[in-house]
Amino acid sequence: AQSVTQPDIHITVSEGASLELRCNYSYGATPYLFWYVQSPGQGLQLLLKYFSGDTLVQGIKGFEAEFKRSQSSFNLRKPSVHWSDAAEYFCAVAPVYSSASKIIFGSGTRLSIRP
Amino acid sequence: NAGVTQTPKFRILKIGQSMTLQCTQDMNHNYMYWYRQDPGMGLKLIYYSVGAGITDKGEVPNGYNVSRSTTEDFPLRLELAAPSQTSVYFCASNDIGSFQYFGAGTRLSVL
Repeated sequence: AQSVTQPDIHITVSEGASLELRCNYSYGATPYLFWYVQSPGQGLQLLLKYFSGDTLVQGIKGFEAEFKRSQSSFNLRKPSVHWSDAAEYFCAVAPVYSSASKIIFGSGTRLSIRP
Repeated sequence: NAGVTQTPKFRILKIGQSMTLQCTQDMNHNYMYWYRQDPGMGLKLIYYSVGAGITDKGEVPNGYNVSRSTTEDFPLRLELAAPSQTSVYFCASNDIGSFQYFGAGTRLSVL
């Protein structure tokens, strides 16, 4: 069955420290991959996406993610977090060439920033 | 360019009441979706549509209905509200092969 796993429910890092949020997927083939961020009381905003090509993807707000086919992973990274990065982060996958573009979301990782 | 607009932002319903959550997008996207997000959980797909006049059930459709008479609008109907429908509802849209744009959400409480 298709699934997305975010093994960390809640992560706390110090401001200025590096960050890595984990995402693993189970899929029949290489899907489209996404990371979304949700600030409190807001909708989801796309951080970055991977469709094909370079496996290291740059996104907005200084985030990047690396697609590793052998590990079925798409981990999100940031070299130095800011207090404004505190939010919920969702990894998502979508089938390639699907007529319905149905996206499957992970359960999310809540990021807290320690001053 | 407003993107995806949801109304209302907040609503409190009594058990058994009905309401319609509105969703409008101005990007001429063919695909539209309704999700619910329960506390501490990811998004669950309720219904989706691949174009005007075409809708299909998602993962958790029970208790909801949708229609898609135009490309722009995709309303979600709750006929007999139940406490289990207390959640935050998100509408999204996209074109094939592109990422989804999300509305800001509707927070619904059923008491």
